[in-house]
Amino acid sequence: GAGVSQSPSNKVTEKGKDVELRCDPISGHTALYWYRQSLGQGLEFLIYFQGNSAPDKSGLPSDRFSAERTGGSVSTLTIQRTQQEDSAVYLCASSLGGRRGLYNEQFFGPGTRLTVL
Amino acid sequence: AQSVTQLGSHVSVSEGALVLLRCNYSSSVPPYLFWYVQYPNQGLQLLLKYTTGATLVKGINGFEAEFKKSETSFHLTKPSAHMSDAAEYFCAVSSSGGYQKVTFGTGTKLQVIP
Repeated sequence: GAGVSQSPSNKVTEKGKDVELRCDPISGHTALYWYRQSLGQGLEFLIYFQGNSAPDKSGLPSDRFSAERTGGSVSTLTIQRTQQEDSAVYLCASSLGGRRGLYNEQFFGPGTRLTVL
Repeated sequence: AQSVTQLGSHVSVSEGALVLLRCNYSSSVPPYLFWYVQYPNQGLQLLLKYTTGATLVKGINGFEAEFKKSETSFHLTKPSAHMSDAAEYFCAVSSSGGYQKVTFGTGTKLQVIP
């Protein structure tokens, strides 16, 4: 597709279960970002990928959170042993990337709304 | 380190009135500054950005913002609000070096009253 896609759009899970959230970036975009948007909060940075490597994972809130990216394309954010405070909208964005000294606009997906019961 | 402060989590304006959404930033290096808009149940969309050059930046849907270094501000304005402008607006800052990690503000919900 032409834009960033995320799946599922909604996920309801029980506390303690593991979940996987998927992001398909725009073709050709080497940079990929995950953010979390909680009610009443701004966008919280989670992790940044350049290609398949993650030079900045400083935003991951705990070791229950992990992410990977394969083939420089699709990324998966995994949350293990989910807690109620993990409930939020998880947004993915991609950009052309690279260290060209020019800003590369981030294009956002529609998000995955995660509800932990 | 960089940060963004958006004054007012909720702003209400009458249709046809001036829209002013405030944003102040902190950055240790020359910043790139952005405004994004998020319509209900959608992802974020870039409204406008300041990188270098002209400090008054025009964006989509009639919005504009002015970078004022002395005030560390990047307020978003629109002369006349439309009902379709009702959305949440996020100000963001990134550093001009490195991979441009973006830091977002907490957002301002704009309500337009008919």
